[in-house]
Amino acid sequence: GNSVTQMEGPVTLSEEAFLTINCTYTATGYPSLFWYVQYPGEGLQLLLKATKADDKGSNKGFEATYRKETTSFHLEKGSVQVSDSAVYFCALSDLNQAGTALIFGKGTTLSVSS
Amino acid sequence: GAVVSQHPSRVICKSGTSVKIECRSLDFQATTMFWYRQFPKQSLMLMATSNEGSKATYEQGVEKDKFLINHASLTLSTLTVTSAHPEDSSFYICSAQVYSNQPQHFGDGTRLSIL
Repeated sequence: GNSVTQMEGPVTLSEEAFLTINCTYTATGYPSLFWYVQYPGEGLQLLLKATKADDKGSNKGFEATYRKETTSFHLEKGSVQVSDSAVYFCALSDLNQAGTALIFGKGTTLSVSS
Repeated sequence: GAVVSQHPSRVICKSGTSVKIECRSLDFQATTMFWYRQFPKQSLMLMATSNEGSKATYEQGVEKDKFLINHASLTLSTLTVTSAHPEDSSFYICSAQVYSNQPQHFGDGTRLSIL
């Protein structure tokens, strides 16, 4: 079945460092890919998405490119801030009988210190 | 736009109690709502998918008699954890979707603690 694999955390960085969180997927067909962010004690917020190969999603300085040849959707940010500390989830859409459910990776905790 | 309100945000109750969690789409009509469960430091696991006016579709291993889902309108879905026990303690999150090719919008989650 479809699945998402994320790099294990936690990731600890200093402010203004470069961030990469790896995400690879296994899927039949052509899923949409997403990155969600979860701040402590809160629900999930959509960070960015890409719906087809070679699409680049971007938001708040984060970006990720849908790479079909490597089945990857790595999240990057050039200069992280303390406020970026959160858990990041890579996800793909998967059609089921009643709708389009999301399949999530296990999440990667990012801690940024000043 | 696309705000999903989940209530309550936190519940603490005794074993054997039934708990109802509401999920509302405030500024859009959701044809589909999803319920997820998140264990500490783990990912979200889909529990069930519900369409307005239809019976929910449960994922394998999720007890439909334990986790009752009602999706009575295009803006409201409820999850009732019946006769809750400590092992049901978890973070429950709902999401709502307008159409199947649109992103899901998540509520802030409900932290359920059963004593």
